[in-house]
Parts: sequence; C-alpha cells; structure tokens
Amino acid sequence: QQPVQSPQAVILREGEDAVINCSSSKALYSVHWYRQKHGEAPVFLMILLKGGEQKGHEKISASFNEKKQQSSLYLTASQLSYSGTYFCGTLAPGNKLTFGGGTRVLVKP
Amino acid sequence: DVKVTQSSRYLVKRTGEKVFLECVQDMDHENMFWYRQDPGLGLRLIYFSYDVKMKEKGDIPEGYSVSREKKERFSLILESASTNQTSMYLCASSAVDSNQPQHFGDGTRLSIL
Repeated sequence: QQPVQSPQAVILREGEDAVINCSSSKALYSVHWYRQKHGEAPVFLMILLKGGEQKGHEKISASFNEKKQQSSLYLTASQLSYSGTYFCGTLAPGNKLTFGGGTRVLVKP
Repeated sequence: DVKVTQSSRYLVKRTGEKVFLECVQDMDHENMFWYRQDPGLGLRLIYFSYDVKMKEKGDIPEGYSVSREKKERFSLILESASTNQTSMYLCASSAVDSNQPQHFGDGTRLSIL
C-alpha cells in the first residue's frame, strides 16, 4: 500500500517555506526522500531511520515520527532550484521500498 | 558517481509486440529495480532482482517479465504490449542493504499504439 503524500502540489515564491507530509498505514523501518526535476531521473535526498531523527540536505530537512508512521520534508527559504516533484519512499518490515504519489513543487521568482 | 543507463529515452511500439527495455549499471550493485511512473501514482515497483538470475515480483508485475543474466544488466520484457502499458519506465540500482539509496536511470517513455 502506497504512502500518502500531501499536498499534491504547492507553489512558492523564492524565499518562502513549505512542508510536505508523508503518511503510512504500516510500521516503518525508514523513510526515504527523492526529488525529480522535469525530464530527469529521481535523485536521492536523504534517508531517515526510525528513532525520530532529523536530517538535512542544503536547506531541506526532514523528520520522522515512527509512532505516527509519518515523515515531513521542510523546504526552508526556497530557491528556484528546489522546483520539482518530491517523492517519499517508505520501508516496512518484509516489504520493498514503496513510493508515494509525489508532491509537485514550483518555486517562482 | 553511479551511472544507470537505460537503452532508449523514447520508444514507440505496436499493440501485441514483444518489447525489451534494457538497463545497465556500473557500480556492481546487487539490487536492481524496474518501476513504472504515471501521473499522480508515483513510482510503482514492477519487478526487483537481488542477484543474477534472481527476481521477485513487485506491486504490478502482470504483463511483464524480467531477465538478469549478468549482474550489471536488468531487462524488462513486455510479452505482448498493450495500450495500457504506455508509460514512463524507470530502472534503478542499489547496494544490498534496503536502506541504501537507489540510483535511477533517466527513464524510457514508452508509447504503445
């Protein structure tokens, strides 16, 4: 069963912040985040292991609440280069990595 | 840098044809994956291979088969292409640990007419 991402799309001005959420109905080992720019391959951003840790990549950070089976990706002071589609992937015991439907982010000047 | 190469960026085939999509990785990764990407549905796993000649079905294997004769190469086969298989197909590879990042190819946009 795919994790649910919200929102499906978001439009930002440069410098604004946004949050992308990823929810699963299963207990999770880890959550993975990828970004795909238009016409390009998805690129790995970060992995969060259970334990509630936060990680960062540039000004993009994420958290993982294993009790709620949820992860959030934070885009801080967004840049034009942050535009793309963000996918979360969830890894549950006995399963392969399962990706959500994606969140399209457009950052405007 | 890991390089995952898919043989074609764009492919047009006819209904009923047997279609081969090829993927090669250069990092000696054990795991290789085939995904299908459709708008709003994200990336859905078709098949997965964790070793030469080993394969497992993913979430949507119907109408597809795979072949992995060499560690670096993973092929997706559409046995008898149908119009509902028109999609973007992405290949990925990773090291053996499921918590290692997956590295994706640029994708093949396949149209079945």
